[in-house]
Amino acid sequence: QQQVKQSPQSLIVQKGGISIINCAYENTAFDYFPWYQQFPGKGPALLIAIRPDVSEKKEGRFTISFNKSAKQFSLHIMDSQPGDSATYFCAAGVNFNKFYFGSGTKLNVKP
Amino acid sequence: NAGVTQTPKFQVLKTGQSMTLQCAQDMNHEYMSWYRQDPGMGLRLIHYSVGAGITDQGEVPNGYNVSRSTTEDFPLRLLSAAPSQTSVYFCASRSPGHTEAFFGQGTRLTVV
Repeated sequence: QQQVKQSPQSLIVQKGGISIINCAYENTAFDYFPWYQQFPGKGPALLIAIRPDVSEKKEGRFTISFNKSAKQFSLHIMDSQPGDSATYFCAAGVNFNKFYFGSGTKLNVKP
Repeated sequence: NAGVTQTPKFQVLKTGQSMTLQCAQDMNHEYMSWYRQDPGMGLRLIHYSVGAGITDQGEVPNGYNVSRSTTEDFPLRLLSAAPSQTSVYFCASRSPGHTEAFFGQGTRLTVV
């Protein structure tokens, strides 16, 4: 049983558009929700993260929206650029040790 | 500044062989963990450690052993490799005072 469900599996966006990736979870004990970005042949790298007491967090063009009651959170990439083309993973964890990852979204930003 | 170093980068094993995937970090991080990444399944936690001498199981620990004798190293052992263990393996480390985990570049393992 997957603890964190992520959609869509793949996403194609035009340059300058908005990319939106969604995740849902069931375990209310999760207290930390990071998003990771992974380029081919590389390990994942932390992009942005949020705690459940905050509904939104913005860092540059990247925004996490968090809906605690619906147990959903999403990543918005504004003004998407070809350099944003990568695989994105959402995750959820308890006490920052045991993390459960979504299945990943492969983003392709077309020039 | 090496960060998290994994060796080897690629490995082919025959079913039943054993091997150790190495992971070393030079950031003095207490927390280290091993994940496997399979297509369509994201990353799944195998084992993790919160300090030297302390390890615990993750989501998919069967078939893997770990030990943590030093802060720097966290090797992952496959005692008897099976084709189901074909995957890309990532090691990560984190300081207890920070939330960001740093990942190595991965080991691509194929078991035939």
